[in-house]
Amino acid sequence: ETGVTQSPTHLIKTRGQQVTLRCSSQSGHNTVSWYQQALGQGPQFIFQYYREEENGRGNFPPRFSGLQFPNYSSELNVNALELDDSALYLCASSLGERGSYNEQFFGPGTRLTVL
Amino acid sequence: SQQGEEDPQALSIQEGENATMNCSYKTSINNLQWYRQNSGRGLVHLILIRSNEREKHSGRLRVTLDTSKKSSSLLITASRAADTASYFCATPSSNTGKLIFGQGTTLQVKP
Repeated sequence: ETGVTQSPTHLIKTRGQQVTLRCSSQSGHNTVSWYQQALGQGPQFIFQYYREEENGRGNFPPRFSGLQFPNYSSELNVNALELDDSALYLCASSLGERGSYNEQFFGPGTRLTVL
Repeated sequence: SQQGEEDPQALSIQEGENATMNCSYKTSINNLQWYRQNSGRGLVHLILIRSNEREKHSGRLRVTLDTSKKSSSLLITASRAADTASYFCATPSSNTGKLIFGQGTTLQVKP
């Protein structure tokens, strides 16, 4: 157990819809990162938040957006869903502004299927 | 783009044997991290080795790092069926906050 939780576990949406995924970080962890993992691939970095501000972004379009809250929870929002958005979405919490320099604590993921 | 590339992509061994996985990366790094993932679930951190370290141990795990060759290896000794999982190496980007993962090695340990 990493102490990081995600909800929901599974989600099915149709193309064009919007989705919000949620993550609860380990208490005290001020950095949260979101990753997309397609089947058979390694996780791809979407973005990172540090103290509620975006602190780095990967090669994802603006329809992927996020929020981090003071209570160590965060959200990933995806608008105008496309079929290729079907993937496992992982959040990871860590300490420090350069959170990726430290051990990342991953949640169990949300499996999103877009039909 | 993937920074780390694992080799082999898949590995099948018998229980009790050793498993070795290799990772290559492209740019200079602060550290290199290894993670394990069971069957499409969340990743679990195994070990972090800093750029000024050459070898690190944790239980049955041994990680080496060769910065001159931009490569790392993960050795699992006396493997168990429970070690069956995908293993990923990852390196932090210096300026974007991201952790860059390879495509992973899928390990199957047969009882």
